Amino acid sequence: DAKTTQPPSMDCAEGRAANLPCNHSTISGNEYVYWYRQIHSQGPQYIIHGLKNNETNEMASLIITEDRKSSTLILPHATLRDTAVYYCIVRVNNNDMRFGAGTRLTVKP
Amino acid sequence: GAVVSQHPSWVICKSGTSVKIECRSLDFQATTMFWYRQFPKQSLMLMATSNEGSKATYEQGVEKDKFLINHASLTLSTLTVTSAHPEDSSFYICSARPLGDRGMYQETQYFGPGTRLLVL
Repeated sequence: DAKTTQPPSMDCAEGRAANLPCNHSTISGNEYVYWYRQIHSQGPQYIIHGLKNNETNEMASLIITEDRKSSTLILPHATLRDTAVYYCIVRVNNNDMRFGAGTRLTVKP
Repeated sequence: GAVVSQHPSWVICKSGTSVKIECRSLDFQATTMFWYRQFPKQSLMLMATSNEGSKATYEQGVEKDKFLINHASLTLSTLTVTSAHPEDSSFYICSARPLGDRGMYQETQYFGPGTRLLVL
């Protein structure tokens, strides 16, 4: 599975959009991009995933570049409850999820 | 949908005792479940992959005789930490991958809330 690179931490003002980047320059054609988040002392929560098209659900939007070497998770209106560690994971379907260090997002009032 | 539970949520035990942690998929069936361990301020580390009706596959460096995994049904996997020592104190998290189409992403793993183990 391809490795990912994420900034270790980011801040965002409450009510603003949070844009979390992820680099996955070695991604292969059959690998999906997944995003999970982990709020302190809880299990990871699934957010969204995609292959090559942009995706949107009730939680977030996922923008994948045309060459698929990077992606951005967008939380459109961040709240204090969105403070968490966000993990970008790239894997082939049905392989296990392997977590990197993630990005610690702090939403500030 | 896609709820995974773990029991207990936390446990304190004496060194040398064994501890069993249960992982259940509450509203879906899962042929494959995964066990992770997370130390403070670190990311999740995959310990083993558990397949229903067969032996678990352990990651390199994880002792299979110390961390016994049983996946006896499509909704239950258990992790037993045998002869626990203080260095086994950690946050243990399981996840499950849905079997079949019930409006959930089959390729996605859903995680439990975790079990915090403290070995004295």
